[in-house]
Amino acid sequence: DTEVTQTPKHLVMGMTNKKSLKCEQHMGHRAMYWYKQKAKKPPELMFVYSYEKLSINESVPSRFSPECPNSSLLNLHLHALQPEDSALYLCASSQDKQYYGYTFGSGTRLTVV
Amino acid sequence: SQKIEQNSEALNIQEGKTATLTCNYTNYSPAYLQWYRQDPGRGPVFLLLIRENEKEKRKERLKVTFDTTLKQSLFHITASQPADSATYLCALSNTGTASKLTFGTGTRLQVTL
Repeated sequence: DTEVTQTPKHLVMGMTNKKSLKCEQHMGHRAMYWYKQKAKKPPELMFVYSYEKLSINESVPSRFSPECPNSSLLNLHLHALQPEDSALYLCASSQDKQYYGYTFGSGTRLTVV
Repeated sequence: SQKIEQNSEALNIQEGKTATLTCNYTNYSPAYLQWYRQDPGRGPVFLLLIRENEKEKRKERLKVTFDTTLKQSLFHITASQPADSATYLCALSNTGTASKLTFGTGTRLQVTL
């Protein structure tokens, strides 16, 4: 299995809702990432997990809450989002040695109404 | 602050020609420079990685050069095909597990018949 799987593919949520994005990989990668991508912009890093521990938080608002329950799963919990949070949310994973690059999922297209 | 710029927002070339994309960075000393392809609505796909002590790397029709003095990478696609049309992103990272991968601004390549 050489994929990163993200669910759901599309999500529409109200500003008072609570929802979660899910990411799964079975490649044995011990680093996992959340990125946010707005239209016509490059992906921007949000969080990095290394061996299931949060190692980097790029000053992301607390309405985004990451969780890494085990080495294969990464969640992003969403609460009280704003319309400007609408974007493509990408999950990625990488091996300890980066020679094979980072593997990205297809993303979750989030719309906040 | 760190800046990674790709010289053209868009590049149009004719099928069969060589496409050359440029990535320049400032205030950064990366261990690795990576190139990704991204199609609309999808996650980036890893193409090539070049290390700071390497000058050039090739993979099939792709060639990447890395000049750490100029702080620049060139990405070439030879014998380009319409199927090569996509956005190409350069990205920088350092060594270690869970290294931050920071993307450039991206170049949208269009290959026409």
